[in-house]
Order: sequence, then structure tokens, then C-alpha cells
Amino acid sequence: GQQLNQSPQSMFIQEGEDVSMNCTSSSIFNTWLWYKQEPGEGPVLLIALYKAGELTSNGRLTAQFGITRKDSFLNISASIPSDVGIYFCAGLYQGAQKLVFGQGTRLTINP
Amino acid sequence: GAVVSQHPSRVICKSGTSVKIECRSLDFQATTMFWYRQFPKQSLMLMATSNEGSKATYEQGVEKDKFLINHASLTLSTLTVTSAHPEDSSFYICSARDPAGYQETQYFGPGTRLLVL
Repeated sequence: GQQLNQSPQSMFIQEGEDVSMNCTSSSIFNTWLWYKQEPGEGPVLLIALYKAGELTSNGRLTAQFGITRKDSFLNISASIPSDVGIYFCAGLYQGAQKLVFGQGTRLTINP
Repeated sequence: GAVVSQHPSRVICKSGTSVKIECRSLDFQATTMFWYRQFPKQSLMLMATSNEGSKATYEQGVEKDKFLINHASLTLSTLTVTSAHPEDSSFYICSARDPAGYQETQYFGPGTRLLVL
């Protein structure tokens, strides 16, 4: 099925560094969702975006809905060990129910 | 955020037996739930869309007689893997759709690890 282009696929950073990842699409989305998944667990919703240009924060996490409605980014500031996991973007077309997922960004943090 | 539970969290069964996995939305009514399968180090693969009171809609390549879905109430959907074989071993995750007006969101369950021997 269709997937969003999510990058980078993996990141290896030092504790305290900032992290940035993004998703792009050739299609316009109505909703962007960012999830985090830890080993053996289901994805947990981090941030939901509903309007083009919207910038939303959740603690050290900030995500933006791109103006063109074809992209979104997620930033994590001052990373800590518990930020380790796989981050997925997901988009919803207008009127659709099924999510379109990115391939995921695997974040590894060196203490 | 809203809570979605799954039961069991992990199950081991013999080849040829059937396994039922439950997905419940605990604090909201979900007219639509989704069932995913996830292979190691891969993204989630949608198997089917479960609609309360009607038949599930299966994605291309997913056998509906193999993966039976029932959505009998607004808070419960079940996935039954019939005559399970080792190749059905996987991580199965459900999600529940929370329409919430125009700000639609989907919440995922914690997943069920199935191992077929």
C-alpha cells in the first residue's frame, strides 16, 4: 500500500541533542499524526495536527503541519534516554478512515 | 489520550488451533476499529477495517476466512486467527477511531504477540 516518505530511517545521537525528522507525500493530507512505538508495544499518539501551518508542542516535542499539506516534521529537543524508540508519521486524507504510514524513524541515544 | 486495550498481550498456540484477540476502547465509543499486523523492524500493515454492526472490509491479500473479525459493540472488536500456522506468528495491533468532530484521531492498543508452534 501507499506509504509516506519518512526520513531519516534511523538516528544515532548523544543524550541532550535535538532531533528532527520529517515526512513528505505527493498527496495532500487533512490530518497528520505522530506516534512513538517502543519494543513490544503498540504506537502511542504524540501529536495530532489538523490545519496547514499548525505548530503544536507536547513537552519537548514540537510538530508542524506543512503549509502545502504534503509534509510534516517532528522535533525533539534535549533528548533523554527514554526518547528511544521508533517514531511514525501517519496521514489521513479528507473523508478517509485509513491511516497512511511512514516507514518509521528509529532513534537510538548514547548516554 | 483515549485508552485502547488488547487481550491477550501474548499467546502461544499449536498449529491448527484458532486464537481470538480482543480489542476494546475503554473510554470512548468506536464505530470503526482497525486491525494491523507488524513484522519485525517494519511499519504497520493494515489487515482490515472493522465497522460496528456490519461486515469487516479486508485489505487486498488478506484472507477473510482466515482472519475473522467481529465488531459486535461500540467498544469491542475481535480478531480470530483460524487454523493458525507458524507463518501467522506476528505482532497484531488494533486501533480505534475517535471521530471527535473534525479532529479525527486513532488510538492504538498495546498489541498481541502471537507465536504458533
